[in-house]
Amino acid sequence: AQKVTQAQTEISVVEKEDVTLDCVYETRDTTYYLFWYKQPPSGELVFLIRRNSFDEQNEISGRYSWNFQKSTSSFNFTITASQVVDSAVYFCALSEWAGANSKLTFGKGITLSVRP
Amino acid sequence: DAGVTQSPTHLIKTRGQQVTLRCSPISGHKSVSWYQQVLGQGPQFIFQYYEKEERGRGNFPDRFSARQFPNYSSELNVNALLLGDSALYLCASSLRGSTATEAFFGQGTRLTVV
Repeated sequence: AQKVTQAQTEISVVEKEDVTLDCVYETRDTTYYLFWYKQPPSGELVFLIRRNSFDEQNEISGRYSWNFQKSTSSFNFTITASQVVDSAVYFCALSEWAGANSKLTFGKGITLSVRP
Repeated sequence: DAGVTQSPTHLIKTRGQQVTLRCSPISGHKSVSWYQQVLGQGPQFIFQYYEKEERGRGNFPDRFSARQFPNYSSELNVNALLLGDSALYLCASSLRGSTATEAFFGQGTRLTVV
């Protein structure tokens, strides 16, 4: 069975601070995808990033970066120089590589508040 | 281009009633998935349909059913509503049925059962 754990429930930072959101996952699959989604108050889940299990190269995309470590089953997400508009609930999710369906298993989410 | 559209946006129903939620995927997308998000929790997978066939079903009772139409739109039906069915119901569309394609979510239908 797949499982995603986001141990942090709420994080509050001041604008321009860097913030890292933690994610730990469990899966028996050897190939899989990992995702981060953002959910603003409007409710829509906004796709942020996706990594496959073959690629542990960490990357930076604008103010976003992620740290994928298979050895510790972690997929952490960092926002650099946070802004008030970053305030939202952030979900980490896990899915099979290319199975019969594209079921996403989500964590419970982390509520990020960025204060001006 | 229009994104994923869901209707209605809000709904209040009484215990025991039945409800139908609707989803229109992004043009050209052939897969629709449904998720239930209870307050304070992450979304939970209910169903996925691809090319009008069920591709996956989550751990939900038979009171939950869905279908996909020839135009790839989808309906989620819930019978004999319980208070615990109160949640945000999210629809996601993707090009194909596999995870290789990115899923785009709608803004959801907030269902309140009283």
